[in-house]
Amino acid sequence: GAGVSQSPSNKVTEKGKDVELRCDPISGHTALYWYRQSLGQGLEFLIYFQGNSAPDKSGLPSDRFSAERTGGSVSTLTIQRTQQEDSAVYLCASSLGLAGGTTLPGTQYFGPGTRLLVL
Amino acid sequence: RKEVEQDPGPFNVPEGATVAFNCTYSNSASQSFFWYRQDCRKEPKLLMSVYSSGNEDGRFTAQLNRASQYISLLIRDSKLSDSATYLCVAATNAGKSTFGDGTTLTVKP
Repeated sequence: GAGVSQSPSNKVTEKGKDVELRCDPISGHTALYWYRQSLGQGLEFLIYFQGNSAPDKSGLPSDRFSAERTGGSVSTLTIQRTQQEDSAVYLCASSLGLAGGTTLPGTQYFGPGTRLLVL
Repeated sequence: RKEVEQDPGPFNVPEGATVAFNCTYSNSASQSFFWYRQDCRKEPKLLMSVYSSGNEDGRFTAQLNRASQYISLLIRDSKLSDSATYLCVAATNAGKSTFGDGTTLTVKP
């Protein structure tokens, strides 16, 4: 079956512009995560959606970052007024989450990421 | 202090060696634990879940010590293809997952 897909795969933008990154999770997965990974660094948690619950936004680095998940499926991460330090790979992951009667979070399946370069 | 800490390495070992990675977590609410593998310029992929009783998958063995809040991964008979970065993950029941920064392994001929 189809895995997690992200678009665009690469994005080059100018400082100060807004960008939108898209994530299509695996069908039926109730949990969706956004992470950021700078070159040679670990994964930095950004935001987490679980079903209809309020998202955990504790990882968003500033109010220039926001994310939505429409209809419990597709998610969009928006970065306003981009800065050069926003350059990174933005990874999306989905999992079955807490659905299906499970009480423990499950395996996360990652998309290929969007490589963002802010000039 | 980071919520999930790993020795960054790098670990450089010859083929056939046994290598162990350690990870500690500080959030006592963490209930699920995983090891992921990430190849250069690729997305992370699940290697194995970690259970309290310890679990083995071929050449890989994972252990969890809840009292010490410590997780380990042992790789036996290392192969060249094991070269990658290994990420330790701790997740709460609410689903929030925290990744360590990873340990880099290079297996040499």
